[in-house]
Amino acid sequence: KQEVTQIPAALSVPEGENLVLNCSFTDSAIYNLQWFRQDPGKGLTSLLLIQSSQREQTSGRLNASLDKSSGRSTLYIAASQPGDSATYLCAVSRGGATNKLIFGTGTLLAVQP
Amino acid sequence: GAVVSQHPSWVICKSGTSVKIECRSLDFQATTMFWYRQFPKQSLMLMATSNEGSKATYEQGVEKDKFLINHASLTLSTLTVTSAHPEDSSFYICSAIFPTVGTKNAFFGQGTRLTVV
Repeated sequence: KQEVTQIPAALSVPEGENLVLNCSFTDSAIYNLQWFRQDPGKGLTSLLLIQSSQREQTSGRLNASLDKSSGRSTLYIAASQPGDSATYLCAVSRGGATNKLIFGTGTLLAVQP
Repeated sequence: GAVVSQHPSWVICKSGTSVKIECRSLDFQATTMFWYRQFPKQSLMLMATSNEGSKATYEQGVEKDKFLINHASLTLSTLTVTSAHPEDSSFYICSAIFPTVGTKNAFFGQGTRLTVV
């Protein structure tokens, strides 16, 4: 059974700092991995998607890496801003017809102005 | 703009009543939608996979008679919480996969906060 864990559970940093969020998964047979952002009481916004054949994806100040063999992914946020404050979730899928997502436990990020 | 619309965004109901939550895909067809539940300070847990024109597939431990799912069209899936109880109070989120856009990104609705009193 696939289990997805995120460390740390919560993180508080001053504005402008670079930071790394970690995601680990127990079954390396994944189709892809996605990072999402969730604001309080809201739905999810997809940030980055990495296919299993890829090692990283970048979007603006965000960079996500994937090491499938070790079951790890990181989300790097450069020059953090107060607007980055949210819960960040990683999710893995096994692909196939249904492409179900298994979510991690989340990291609550607070960027202090 | 939003590609998946969920309604209502919040609802309060009395214990024993039923509540229907709608999930619509906008401007494209979604043959498969997913329903998740999220308890406070926890991650999303998949409840069921909703397939257009066929029965939903429920995850282990999810009561199919309590959480009725109907996916009658390619743009609409509904989740009905029947005979709701306070322990059903949670945040419910739907999502859809759109392979036609080139990557299997999952797009999520805004979520529905259900409070059963």
